[in-house]
Amino acid sequence: GNSVTQMEGPVTLSEEAFLTINCTYTATGYPSLFWYVQYPGEGLQLLLKATKADDKGSNKGFEATYRKETTSFHLEKGSVQVSDSAVYFCALLSYNQGGKLIFGQGTELSVKP
Amino acid sequence: DVKVTQSSRYLVKRTGEKVFLECVQDMDHENMFWYRQDPGLGLRLIYFSYDVKMKEKGDIPEGYSVSREKKERFSLILESASTNQTSMYLCASRTPGTVYNEQFFGPGTRLTVL
Repeated sequence: GNSVTQMEGPVTLSEEAFLTINCTYTATGYPSLFWYVQYPGEGLQLLLKATKADDKGSNKGFEATYRKETTSFHLEKGSVQVSDSAVYFCALLSYNQGGKLIFGQGTELSVKP
Repeated sequence: DVKVTQSSRYLVKRTGEKVFLECVQDMDHENMFWYRQDPGLGLRLIYFSYDVKMKEKGDIPEGYSVSREKKERFSLILESASTNQTSMYLCASRTPGTVYNEQFFGPGTRLTVL
């Protein structure tokens, strides 16, 4: 079945460090891929998405490229800020069950000043 | 702005109680979803609804039921709460149209069952 695997957290970085959060997926066909972010005490917000191979999603300095050959969608940011501290979820869109989102386990990011 | 609200941020109930979690969205979305979020497991789909009075089981429906009598409101019901239902519950809704449309999430209800 479809699944998403993310790197284990928590990830702790200093401000202005480079961020990578790995995400790989297993799916039939070519699903759409998403990164959601959950700030403390809040619900999830869509951060970025990509709907086909080689697409690059970007938002707020974050980027992720849909890599079909490696079935990956790694999240990157060149210079993190304290305000980026949150939990990040990778997800794929499953076309059955009405467009269900299948989530990875989440990666907690903590950025220190 | 789309707004998805949930009736409680924190809830404490006792084993065996019937529990209602309410979700309301204000953007006329047809599709609504209930997830539970547990550490190390991400979000798992409990139930979803295509439209009023329509519901489909998700991945973990056991011990839960839902109700959608009005388009804007989607309720999750724990018929007889158990301690293993202690979790964060998140509601989401989606604009009509293709499945590529973004899901919008509420702030969550953290339920503790004693």
